Amino acid sequence: DAKTTQPPSMDCAEGRAANLPCNHSTISGNEYVYWYRQIHSQGPQYIIHGLKNNETNEMASLIITEDRKSSTLILPHATLRDTAVYYCIVRPPRGSGAGSYQLTFGKGTKLSVIP
Amino acid sequence: NAGVTQTPKFQVLKTGQSMTLQCAQDMNHEYMSWYRQDPGMGLRLIHYSVGAGITDQGEVPNGYNVSRSTTEDFPLRLLSAAPSQTSVYFCASSPPSGRATGELFFGEGSRLTVL
Repeated sequence: DAKTTQPPSMDCAEGRAANLPCNHSTISGNEYVYWYRQIHSQGPQYIIHGLKNNETNEMASLIITEDRKSSTLILPHATLRDTAVYYCIVRPPRGSGAGSYQLTFGKGTKLSVIP
Repeated sequence: NAGVTQTPKFQVLKTGQSMTLQCAQDMNHEYMSWYRQDPGMGLRLIHYSVGAGITDQGEVPNGYNVSRSTTEDFPLRLLSAAPSQTSVYFCASSPPSGRATGELFFGEGSRLTVL
C-alpha cells in the first residue's frame, strides 16, 4: 500500500475552515484516498473518500491534486466538536483482493479547534 | 440498528490469563477486522475476515487467534496474555464488495490492561 505523510498537529479557529494536508506521492492509479477521524478515544469515523475528482459531502470536502500525489481535507466551518485526530489512508479499490481491506492507519494529524 | 458492538469495554488481566474479546455486527457486513491502538499511535491490523469461515493475518497477529463461524460475530482470543498486549482494541466491519462507499464501521473499543 502507498504510504501517507501528514503533519502531526494543527490548530484552527472555531468557525474558520480547517485544511488538513496529506502527501501520498507513491499512490497507484487505482488506489483511493480515504479520510477518517477519531474523536478522543472513540472508534474512528469515516469522513470521505475519492479517486481523482474532488468530492464533497455533508461533513467535508476532499481536494485531490491533478497528479494525485497529495490531497487536502477541508472542514468548511470548524467547530469544537471537530477536535480529533484525522487519518489519511490510501487503499486499493474494493474487490481487488485482501489488500483492499487492510487499511494502514498512521499517526494522523491532531486537529485542535480553538474557541 | 446497533452497528458494531464490542464487549467488554474494559478488562484487566494478569499475565498468562486467557480471554476473548467479542465483536458483533448486525449490518450483514461480510468483512470484519480487529485493530489495536497503543498510546499515541495509529491503529494496527491484527486479523481480518472476508466472510464466514475465512480469516487471515494482519500486521501484528502474534499472540491472537480469531475465528468466523457466523457473518455476525468475530471474536478475538488472547491465549496467554502478556503486558505488551495492553492496548485499546477496535473491531471494524465493512459492507459487501461493490456496495456503498466501502468505509469501515468501528466499534467503541475494548480497553485491555495486562498486569
